[in-house]
Amino acid sequence: EIVLTQSPATLSLSPGESATLSCRASQRIGGYLAWYQHKPGQPPRLLIYDASNRATGIPARFSGSGSGTDFTLTISSLEPGDFAVYYCQQRGDWPPTLTFGGGTKVEIK
Amino acid sequence: EVQLLESGGGLVQPGGSLRLSCVASGFTFSSYAMTWVRQAPGKGLEWVSVISANSVLTYHADSVKGRFTISRDNSKNTLYLQMNSLRAEDTAIYYCAKDVQQQVPMYYFDYWGQGALVAVSS
Repeated sequence: EIVLTQSPATLSLSPGESATLSCRASQRIGGYLAWYQHKPGQPPRLLIYDASNRATGIPARFSGSGSGTDFTLTISSLEPGDFAVYYCQQRGDWPPTLTFGGGTKVEIK
Repeated sequence: EVQLLESGGGLVQPGGSLRLSCVASGFTFSSYAMTWVRQAPGKGLEWVSVISANSVLTYHADSVKGRFTISRDNSKNTLYLQMNSLRAEDTAIYYCAKDVQQQVPMYYFDYWGQGALVAVSS
């Protein structure tokens, strides 16, 4: 089973600052990684898929990079609505065995 | 507008059964793979099950294999999750979600329902 480890667990930042979130896979997964934003009381929101492709309607301040085992989500110039928990998700090989990372909480400093 | 509406959650005793439904609208339901993802209280997201657009392929997480069954009725635009032999650790909000791509799934999910709460307790 592929394990995704996200770091840091919590990121304390101010609006306007940039956030860099990390997701490390226990084995190589190519570029098959997505990032989601999750706020309390709401369903998750797809931000990035295939490591670097922004989903429909996602602002350009969200960007993803990486391949193999190390991936990064960067949020440039944090806005008030960006404070949330962020999860990475890999889609696995065949058969698909999807897994999520443990999450990074981006909180207001 | 894409909408996914879950129902069927509630309180059930350990060992009991429950069936969740997810009614879809605003897209061609029969063209997309669908999934269930859950979130236990105070925990992160956990993938549960996925089903192909034509129901031929279904996959379940090891934690629910043999107890949960995902299915769909494309004539009713509805996704199901039959949950048997429920345990306390199955207590969670259960979300249904739609794959981003038609026909050939990418196993990333771009639209999600609001979730259904399942509580397993005596």
